[in-house]
Amino acid sequence: AQSVTQPDIHITVSEGASLELRCNYSYGATPYLFWYVQSPGQGLQLLLKYFSGDTLVQGIKGFEAEFKRSQSSFNLRKPSVHWSDAAEYFCAVGPRGAQKLVFGQGTRLTINP
Amino acid sequence: DGGITQSPKYLFRKEGQNVTLSCEQNLNHDAMYWYRQDPGQGLRLIYYSQIVNDFQKGDIAEGYSVSREKKESFPLTVTSAQKNPTAFYLCASNSPLGTGITDTQYFGPGTRLTVL
Repeated sequence: AQSVTQPDIHITVSEGASLELRCNYSYGATPYLFWYVQSPGQGLQLLLKYFSGDTLVQGIKGFEAEFKRSQSSFNLRKPSVHWSDAAEYFCAVGPRGAQKLVFGQGTRLTINP
Repeated sequence: DGGITQSPKYLFRKEGQNVTLSCEQNLNHDAMYWYRQDPGQGLRLIYYSQIVNDFQKGDIAEGYSVSREKKESFPLTVTSAQKNPTAFYLCASNSPLGTGITDTQYFGPGTRLTVL
């Protein structure tokens, strides 16, 4: 069965600190992986995506993610967080073409001043 | 500006009533999707449509219905058969196949439905 696990429901970091959000997936075929961000009461915005090529992917707002096939992981990182990064983050997996995406439960990020 | 609009932003319904949520896109996307979001459960797929006049059930279609009469529009009806309809509903679209592929799903701003 296809699934995405985000082990951390809630993470708190200080402004300026580094960030890593974990994502593990189970998918039978070659996965198409996404990270989205959601501000409260809003829709989802794409941060970055990976299908093939360089396993380190750069996204918007200074985020990057690394695909590790051997670990079935696609962790999201940012070297230095800003207060505006406080939001909920979702990892998703699907086929090429991004139909029928499967989403993780989300990780809520809080930033301490 | 191209994008996806959902209306209304907030919707209140009495138990036993059907209600229809609107989703319109002007991105010329072929495929459209409806998701339900509950706290701590991520997004779950209700219905999706890859082409006009065709749609498929997602993982939690019971108590919901859709239509796709126009490429731009994909309304979702929450029927009285849906036992726990209070949730945040998100619409998305992309063009996963054929020419001009836009594989990324783009999302609307959502509709929050509350059953009183």
